[in-house]
Amino acid sequence: QVQLQESGPRLVKSSETLSLTCAVSSYSMKNGYYWVWIRQSPGKGLEWIGSIYHSGTTYYSPSLRSRVSMSVDTSENEFSLTLTSVTAADTAFYYCSRQMNTRHPFDSWGQGTLVTVSS
Amino acid sequence: SYVLSQPPSVSVAPQMTASISCGGDDIGSKTVHWYQQKPGQAPVLVVSYDTDRPSGIPERFSGASSGTSATLTISRVEAGDEADYYCQVWDTDTNRVVFGGGTKLTVL
Repeated sequence: QVQLQESGPRLVKSSETLSLTCAVSSYSMKNGYYWVWIRQSPGKGLEWIGSIYHSGTTYYSPSLRSRVSMSVDTSENEFSLTLTSVTAADTAFYYCSRQMNTRHPFDSWGQGTLVTVSS
Repeated sequence: SYVLSQPPSVSVAPQMTASISCGGDDIGSKTVHWYQQKPGQAPVLVVSYDTDRPSGIPERFSGASSGTSATLTISRVEAGDEADYYCQVWDTDTNRVVFGGGTKLTVL
């Protein structure tokens, strides 16, 4: 059964760049799937950030597109998220996940990691 | 942009049936997925492709979708079903994932 684990700094200063990595185990990313980032501000709902295919095709949330970048490293079997110019509004639990294709559900999730943006 | 509307909260007595709605323009033509999220945990898929139940999800969970509304139904509700529930679709017009705002299910 596939497992996903987020890692990265838990505290980021305002105006700086947030970077997270999701390590994938028990499944080779080369075999397919879209790899996804979703976030949730404390006490709020789920917000999709973006999805990236193993070949590099990406879809980003329109509201974050100007600040978001995602990449895949199939040799390390991990994928990454970069969010620039962060503010307090970017404080959230960040989850990595996967979906077989864009219309398919998110069938596996990481445990999530809380990233706090400080002033 | 495409919007999914859910009631903020639904309350139900144990052993009764809970219905959680998800409204959206012509949602019946889209594929709807439902997630359960308990406090401090990552979401879990409970209904996929409008009506399917992933492996390990109790038969008490079912889904339907038609017209402008999709519904998650939980039969014989248990205390352990208390959680937030989110509907989700892929909007083909804008190529983006859309989540509903979430519904908090309270078991009385």
